[in-house]
Amino acid sequence: IAGITQAPTSQILAAGRRMTLRCTQDMRHNAMYWYRQDLGLGLRLIHYSNTAGTTGKGEVPDGYSVSRANTDDFPLTLASAVPSQTSVYFCASSEQQGVGANVLTFGAGSRLTVL
Amino acid sequence: AQSVTQPDIHITVSEGASLELRCNYSYGATPYLFWYVQSPGQGLQLLLKYFSGDTLVQGIKGFEAEFKRSQSSFNLRKPSVHWSDAAEYFCAVGGHRGSTLGRLYFGRGTQLTVWP
Repeated sequence: IAGITQAPTSQILAAGRRMTLRCTQDMRHNAMYWYRQDLGLGLRLIHYSNTAGTTGKGEVPDGYSVSRANTDDFPLTLASAVPSQTSVYFCASSEQQGVGANVLTFGAGSRLTVL
Repeated sequence: AQSVTQPDIHITVSEGASLELRCNYSYGATPYLFWYVQSPGQGLQLLLKYFSGDTLVQGIKGFEAEFKRSQSSFNLRKPSVHWSDAAEYFCAVGGHRGSTLGRLYFGRGTQLTVWP
């Protein structure tokens, strides 16, 4: 089934540890995104990538980094996790151009708890 | 600045009743507008979208939304709610040119509870 796979589904992490959330899509979408979802705040864009080899900052990029070595994978790294990064993280993808560029397909999410 | 306001945090309706979820947006250009639904523990699923043309758009699961430019609104409606519609609903706005392409701004969500 075509879509987005995120891993891990859930993780508890000690503050100060490094963590990478994985995201893989098989739809050959050029654009990919990472959002975090917090109660009462909706979804906020962390980082995005319009095509392999390029990345950009969203609304809340501090404390996070991303890479886009190929079309399918878009990992999100927390270099030194802090409790405020406790959240549910969603990876999404879309076409790069045309009206399809705004139609996002979402993964099931990764719930991260930083203690 | 781009923003989306969903004024209702939580709405409760009886099964079979009509539903309207409110959404207002602020955007510097002609917006693309979306409604997404999130069931517990799941990702977001697209309900419907407005890009241009007819201001009343139909979506999946019997939902519709109307774009009113004069009111900067994109309210979601359903004539008869089913228990399975209980979920959280997000309104989102996006751009259609340049660096804004594909970057959506989401509202805070409206949690819908359906009484049997």
